Amino acid sequence: EAGVVQSPRYKIIEKKQPVAFWCNPISGHNTLYWYRQNLGQGPELLIRYENEEAVDDSQLPKDRFSAERLKGVDSTLKIQPAELGDSAVYLCASSLAPNTEAFFGQGTRLTVV
Amino acid sequence: RKEVEQDPGPFNVPEGATVAFNCTYSNSASQSFFWYRQDCRKEPKLLMSVYSSGNEDGRFTAQLNRASQYISLLIRDSKLSDSATYLCVVIRNTGGFKTIFGAGTRLFVKA
Repeated sequence: EAGVVQSPRYKIIEKKQPVAFWCNPISGHNTLYWYRQNLGQGPELLIRYENEEAVDDSQLPKDRFSAERLKGVDSTLKIQPAELGDSAVYLCASSLAPNTEAFFGQGTRLTVV
Repeated sequence: RKEVEQDPGPFNVPEGATVAFNCTYSNSASQSFFWYRQDCRKEPKLLMSVYSSGNEDGRFTAQLNRASQYISLLIRDSKLSDSATYLCVVIRNTGGFKTIFGAGTRLFVKA
């Protein structure tokens, strides 16, 4: 069975440019998460979806970050405009339910220069 | 104070050693607990769930102490391949589920 698929794996952009990340969760997983991980830190939740509904976006910097999960399957995370401090690994994960173990994609390593 | 805390280490141990990590959590509404393993520049991967009765998987044993609000991970007979960062994960339900990761404990197993 395919795991969580993310693209791109790496992205280098100049500050103030837009960037988008894509995630395809494990089939049948209703819960989808976007995390950001900085070096030496654990993943920090940006947004959690239950099907197509964003049920927890309290940690999402809404002035520049947006996300969507149309049809409750694939999801995209966008940053516009990107800032130097956005450099991090952006991880997508999915789970059967919000209180069960999550499975991660390989992540997108973003570098803003 | 962070809601989920781990000793960042690093723990440097020789092959064959037994090593233990603790993770403390502050919210009593926490209900699900996991240990994940993360290799350098890789994504976190589930190592094991932590049940109230404790659980064991080969050389790995996880335990939960609800009274003192901590979970532990014990690795016996350490292998070089156990070198990684171990992340503690807690899910609480306070009007909605919230998954919180610890910052991780780094383990280096030496030959």
